[in-house]
Amino acid sequence: QKEVEQDPGPLSVPEGAIVSLNCTYSNSAFQYFMWYRQYSRKGPELLMYTYSSGNKEDGRFTAQVDKSSKYISLFIRDSQPSDSATYLCAMLEGGSEKLVFGKGTKLTVNP
Amino acid sequence: NAGVTQTPKFRILKIGQSMTLQCAQDMNHNYMYWYRQDPGMGLKLIYYSVGAGITDKGEVPNGYNVSRSTTEDFPLRLELAAPSQTSVYFCASSEGQGAINSPLHFGNGTRLTVT
Repeated sequence: QKEVEQDPGPLSVPEGAIVSLNCTYSNSAFQYFMWYRQYSRKGPELLMYTYSSGNKEDGRFTAQVDKSSKYISLFIRDSQPSDSATYLCAMLEGGSEKLVFGKGTKLTVNP
Repeated sequence: NAGVTQTPKFRILKIGQSMTLQCAQDMNHNYMYWYRQDPGMGLKLIYYSVGAGITDKGEVPNGYNVSRSTTEDFPLRLELAAPSQTSVYFCASSEGQGAINSPLHFGNGTRLTVT
């Protein structure tokens, strides 16, 4: 089993839809969880950062972590065409410098 | 403030050739990283550095070398290019204690093809 599993999609939704993106992981030592957004031909940029189980909200974006199930999610409300990008989950053990990335999910929001 | 700058943007190499991918950051970040991204495979860490003069291997270091003589620059060297090194290479930097306390700032990548 890979350390981080993420469905690569692609995922296509109409504008205004609620989008759910997910990752599962096998390493119990992961303590920090991130979502990066990557537009085509660009480097990834940090979207959300969470530590411990629970929810974190930032505008239309909500990151959710369930450590007991080893499952993290990113929800996008009222999705916009500008949200079209690849979303990568990333995880980190405490004290480590080595982020482990998921494969990324390609999202297209259609006007 | 340019952030993380990578050069070149594109390169085609023949098998066995060598080249250096350049990376420079102007944010005075101590931590710098090299990743490769293959289609559908996510980002894999090649090498990283926690400060000038200090480098360490990541997940996929074979076939690559790095050096860190200054805070600003972190070049990646390919000595004998192989088709398996065809990929998009991203350089990133961060401040403080690396990824825990601050996000990674990525460059826009170098697209390398080895034929």
